[in-house]
Amino acid sequence: GAGVSQSPSNKVTEKGKDVELRCDPISGHTALYWYRQSLGQGLEFLIYFQGNSAPDKSGLPSDRFSAERTGGSVSTLTIQRTQQEDSAVYLCASSLERQASYGYTFGSGTRLTVV
Amino acid sequence: KNQVEQSPQSLIILEGKNCTLQCNYTVSPFSNLRWYKQDTGRGPVSLTIMTFSENTKSNGRYTATLDADTKQSSLHITASQLSDSASYICVVSPGNTPLVFGKGTRLSVIA
Repeated sequence: GAGVSQSPSNKVTEKGKDVELRCDPISGHTALYWYRQSLGQGLEFLIYFQGNSAPDKSGLPSDRFSAERTGGSVSTLTIQRTQQEDSAVYLCASSLERQASYGYTFGSGTRLTVV
Repeated sequence: KNQVEQSPQSLIILEGKNCTLQCNYTVSPFSNLRWYKQDTGRGPVSLTIMTFSENTKSNGRYTATLDADTKQSSLHITASQLSDSASYICVVSPGNTPLVFGKGTRLSVIA
């Protein structure tokens, strides 16, 4: 597609429920990133996929968070047993490759609210 | 610890005025520095990307500067418009490790 597409744009869930957030990157972009943006905070790196390489999961805050990328394209971020502190905007970005000269293209994010 | 600090945290200016946003970083190694604009409810959009050897880069009314010796960058906005109201985020890339994001400066341009 023309840009990075994320769905849903907004999600309200009850504490303890599982949620799945979807990211559809720009066609041909091999690198895909998930970030979390809490109110008043900078973007927090969560996980990075590059082609067929093993993902960099170093930013995942707990084992309740997981992500997969099927077929090198669409990615799903799953949060199990959601907690109120998980409330944030979850942003996905993609780029041609993880090189300094390329910028990232971000999606509009999914605003997650855990009540 | 790799950090990016931005100032001011928020800023209100009159339409047509200029403003300068600051970014200080302690990121090593350094690959590049980026400024992003994030409108409310949207994802960040890249304004400029500068490598170590670049001192200034412009994108329309936006001009970014970089002093790699003092590890400082600024974003200057000329003749501000109401549509410039947004958060401006300074981002530093250490290379093959995750980007380091500042918390942003919230700019409000008022008529």
